[in-house]
Amino acid sequence: DIQMTQSPSSLSAPVGDRVTITCRASQGISNYLAWYQQKPGKVPKLLIYAASTLQSGVPSRFSGSGSGTDFTLTISSLQPEDVATYYCQKYNNVPYTFGQGTKLEIK
Amino acid sequence: QVQLVQSGAEVKKPGSSVKVSCKASGGTFNNYAISWVRQAPGQGLEWMGGIIPMFDIVNYAQKFQGRVTITADESTNTAYMELSSLKSEDTAVYYCARGGWINWFDPWGQGTLVTVSS
Repeated sequence: DIQMTQSPSSLSAPVGDRVTITCRASQGISNYLAWYQQKPGKVPKLLIYAASTLQSGVPSRFSGSGSGTDFTLTISSLQPEDVATYYCQKYNNVPYTFGQGTKLEIK
Repeated sequence: QVQLVQSGAEVKKPGSSVKVSCKASGGTFNNYAISWVRQAPGQGLEWMGGIIPMFDIVNYAQKFQGRVTITADESTNTAYMELSSLKSEDTAVYYCARGGWINWFDPWGQGTLVTVSS
């Protein structure tokens, strides 16, 4: 099975900073990569699909890039409401594995 | 805009089974897949399996093979996930989501807390 590894596992940054989270697949997955945001006690929310397509309604400060095995989620200017855990996920074939998550906090 | 509405919280004894439902509201399954994902307390997201109701194709994560059964009723736009031989480690929030088979997961159900305790 393909493994999805995110880094870092946790991250603390000041408001306004540019934040980058990486996700690496153990084998190529083309661009079948999604990013989700989960705030404490809430349902996961789709941010980005097809590696770089922003889901409707998601603020433009979020962006995604990558293809094959290496992917990134970038927040261009961190806001207090972005405090959450972020997950990447492959969805090209089963199993639809998630990364272990990156917990993002405000410094 | 389809929404997924799940059944309510459950408390189960070890060794028993639980069946969680997921109903599409405001739309139908159409030709989309429905997947089930669980999240143990303080842990990450774990895909359990999924179904394409139109074709009755089902896939399960190897970890849950033999213990999970996913079904769907197209006439009521409802999917079901049944987990048997419950252990305390199965205590988790169980989510359904539209997605799988080269589709991202969106939308998600509100989650169903299953507590396994003697």
